[in-house]
Amino acid sequence: GENVEQHPSTLSVQEGDSAVIKCTYSDSASNYFPWYKQELGKGPQLIIDIRSNVGEKKDQRIAVTLNKTAKHFSLHITETQPEDSAVYFCAASYNYGQNFVFGPGTRLSVLP
Amino acid sequence: EPEVTQTPSHQVTQMGQEVILRCVPISNHLYFYWYRQILGQKVEFLVSFYNNEISEKSEIFDDQFSVERPDGSNFTLKIRSTKLEDSAMYFCASSGNSNTGELFFGEGSRLTVL
Repeated sequence: GENVEQHPSTLSVQEGDSAVIKCTYSDSASNYFPWYKQELGKGPQLIIDIRSNVGEKKDQRIAVTLNKTAKHFSLHITETQPEDSAVYFCAASYNYGQNFVFGPGTRLSVLP
Repeated sequence: EPEVTQTPSHQVTQMGQEVILRCVPISNHLYFYWYRQILGQKVEFLVSFYNNEISEKSEIFDDQFSVERPDGSNFTLKIRSTKLEDSAMYFCASSGNSNTGELFFGEGSRLTVL
């Protein structure tokens, strides 16, 4: 089955700097890769997603890149703000939404 | 904005007791899910539900677990004879169309088994 790895497990950046979180997946059949942000005591919230027919997607300060050949995808957050502090999870799915396999998460701390 | 709601937010139970966690998915959604997150660990898929039946389940979802959509709005997860290792945050999620991919998660039900 699918296995998703995520690095780093913790990441601290200064406010205004960029943050990059990387994920790898094992199943070449996976075709949908969402990123979720989880704030303390809350459920995961989708922040951006990418499908296998696209190499890059951007939404304001957030971007995701996908390399299907290497089976890895990355989340890029620019101009980080304290409210970006949260746990970020990547996930992979082979049929657009069923049975996501989540990565272990990255705790991002943005220091003022 | 429509949201997935879950009750209770926190439940404490004795080992061996039965627990029912309740969810109200977004009203026009067709696909329903339960995920579990043990403290400090990743979110794990338990089960997906579509058209009044289980469409997929993980190895975690053994005979101890069951799901039901008893009416047009609720989606429940029942855990029979709870064990200590069932202590976790349980998230319900729903999606309107699996082809769009986006799952909307509830805020979770924290289960503590003593």
